[in-house]
Amino acid sequence: DAGVIQSPRHEVTEMGQEVTLRCKPISGHDYLFWYRQTMMRGLELLIYFNNNVPIDDSGMPEDRFSAKMPNASFSTLKIQPSEPRDSAVYFCASSFAGMGQPQHFGDGTRLSIL
Amino acid sequence: DQQVKQNSPSLSVQEGRISILNCDYTNSMFDYFLWYKKYPAEGPTFLISISSIKDKNEDGRFTVFLNKSAKHLSLHIVPSQPGDSAVYFCAAGSSQGAQKLVFGQGTRLTINP
Repeated sequence: DAGVIQSPRHEVTEMGQEVTLRCKPISGHDYLFWYRQTMMRGLELLIYFNNNVPIDDSGMPEDRFSAKMPNASFSTLKIQPSEPRDSAVYFCASSFAGMGQPQHFGDGTRLSIL
Repeated sequence: DQQVKQNSPSLSVQEGRISILNCDYTNSMFDYFLWYKKYPAEGPTFLISISSIKDKNEDGRFTVFLNKSAKHLSLHIVPSQPGDSAVYFCAAGSSQGAQKLVFGQGTRLTINP
């Protein structure tokens, strides 16, 4: 079975450029999550969706960050304009509904903003 | 405000011995807990979970213990194997929290031959 698929795996771009990260969740999962991992802050939740609807975006750091889920099989996280402090590993995860259902993670996108 | 804490950044254990990873939480609303394992350049992988109605859950070499009064959980790996070398994250969720998880900072486990 295919797991959560993220693209690209690595992205290097210059400050000020627009960055788009992509995620394909596991088929049938009701929830999709975007996380950011840094040395300083660990794994932090940015935003999550239920049935394609954003539920909680309180973790999104600034207006420069936006996320969409146009359908059940695709989501994007966009940063515009990007800044060096956005450099991190970004993970997408998905899960079924229900208490205790584990989230299944993709392998992440390593983003470097120069 | 770290609601889930893993106070040991690293742990080194000899192959064949028991590995014990610890996690503390502060939010009394948390009622289920999960452990994830992460290899370099990969995403975290779900390992084992426990609900607050239990105090122990076992799956093969992995056992999770929950002490609700102390707000503490631990993951025991017996016997430890070289392939267990990874970063381990504990995570906590609330049935009132709509699938959100709060993760600890992780503990890097190294199994020495």
